[in-house]
Amino acid sequence: GAVVSQHPSWVICKSGTSVKIECRSLDFQATTMFWYRQFPKQSLMLMATSNEGSKATYEQGVEKDKFLINHASLTLSTLTVTSAHPEDSSFYICSARGRTSGGYTQYFGPGTRLTVL
Amino acid sequence: QKEVEQNSGPLSVPEGAIASLNCTYSDRGSQSFFWYRQYSGKSPELIMFIYSNGDKEDGRFTAQLNKASQYVSLLIRDSQPSDSATYLCAVNEGSGGSNYKLTFGKGTLLTVNP
Repeated sequence: GAVVSQHPSWVICKSGTSVKIECRSLDFQATTMFWYRQFPKQSLMLMATSNEGSKATYEQGVEKDKFLINHASLTLSTLTVTSAHPEDSSFYICSARGRTSGGYTQYFGPGTRLTVL
Repeated sequence: QKEVEQNSGPLSVPEGAIASLNCTYSDRGSQSFFWYRQYSGKSPELIMFIYSNGDKEDGRFTAQLNKASQYVSLLIRDSQPSDSATYLCAVNEGSGGSNYKLTFGKGTLLTVNP
């Protein structure tokens, strides 16, 4: 399958700092990227959808000023958690959708585990 | 609101048996269907996708789709302990294009006992 990378894989930060997570599609062009959050033993929660070159569309209840998403190219999207607090500690997973040999499919990155102290 | 329903499990099967995972969806206009596997602490991994009614086989995995019944299933033959994971069913509106979100079920936890 197609490869999606995320960096960093884990991060620990102090409350009030900002954290940037990068998501890259390595072998295909991602027309759309999605950002999810998953708390322990819970299902994936879609936070936002972004298309290259346009503003992200946020799901209801997700603060767009807190979770800044930039999708500057067809292979890179970033999520910045601004002024992170302990309740933002979670597993953040990006997903890239694009056309591969299997048709339009959505592949997940390996995830970033964020711990806010 | 579009919904995807899965039995949360856990579903326990002995090694070598067939594991059957089921999923129903509410949006009759859904066109494409995906099965992902998620190991604990890891991100989801795509196993299979299916667009047309009927069966699609890939190795030990078979996806079955019945649009009239709004039902999709995943069969795992010769189950192995390494298949133990949460299996997520996902549905979206189109088979092409670039603006479709996946709606995920909450997943079924499968345990394969040696």
